[in-house]
Amino acid sequence: AQKITQTQPGMFVQEKEAVTLDCTYDTSDPSYGLFWYKQPSSGEMIFLIYQGSYDQQNATEGRYSLNFQKARKSANLVISASQLGDSAMYFCAMRGNQAGTALIFGKGTTLSVSS
Amino acid sequence: SQTIHQWPATLVQPVGSPLSLECTVEGTSNPNLYWYRQAAGRGLQLLFYSVGIGQISSEVPQNLSASRPQDRQFILSSKKLLLSDSGFYLCAWDDEAEAFFGQGTRLTVV
Repeated sequence: AQKITQTQPGMFVQEKEAVTLDCTYDTSDPSYGLFWYKQPSSGEMIFLIYQGSYDQQNATEGRYSLNFQKARKSANLVISASQLGDSAMYFCAMRGNQAGTALIFGKGTTLSVSS
Repeated sequence: SQTIHQWPATLVQPVGSPLSLECTVEGTSNPNLYWYRQAAGRGLQLLFYSVGIGQISSEVPQNLSASRPQDRQFILSSKKLLLSDSGFYLCAWDDEAEAFFGQGTRLTVV
């Protein structure tokens, strides 16, 4: 069975600072993908970044980077130079690459960015 | 480009009434399709997912059901809604390294 754990219900950061949102996972699949999503108050789910389990380098997308530590089964999201618009709920997700494996989510972390 | 349509955006239904939420995907074929429910301020609960036409996996036993009559159409239904069915329902599709969501339906059962 697969499991995603986000242990930080809420995080607070000031503008221009970096912040790390934690995510750990558990799976028996040898090959899997890890995702991060942002959900602002409007409710839409915005895809941020993807990391494949066999990718040698950590994924980066603009100010977002994924700190992937396979041995520790962690996939933390790092947001550099936080902006007020980054205030939202953030979800970590995982899907095994075997056919028929579903995309599952953690419980989310609410990020609040202050000026 | 791939798009996903989900409607309606909001819905207020009385207890005991039926429900039908529809989701369609464009620009891709044979996607994995999902229905999730989210309570206010909470995480996403996987309700159903489908890897192909007529193939539905149910993750949570409840009074909801799902169907996939066409490759890019996924329908969430209920014969009789309960108060506890209120929430934000999201349809999604994924294909290898990409996963995208519809705009969601905010359902209030009264």
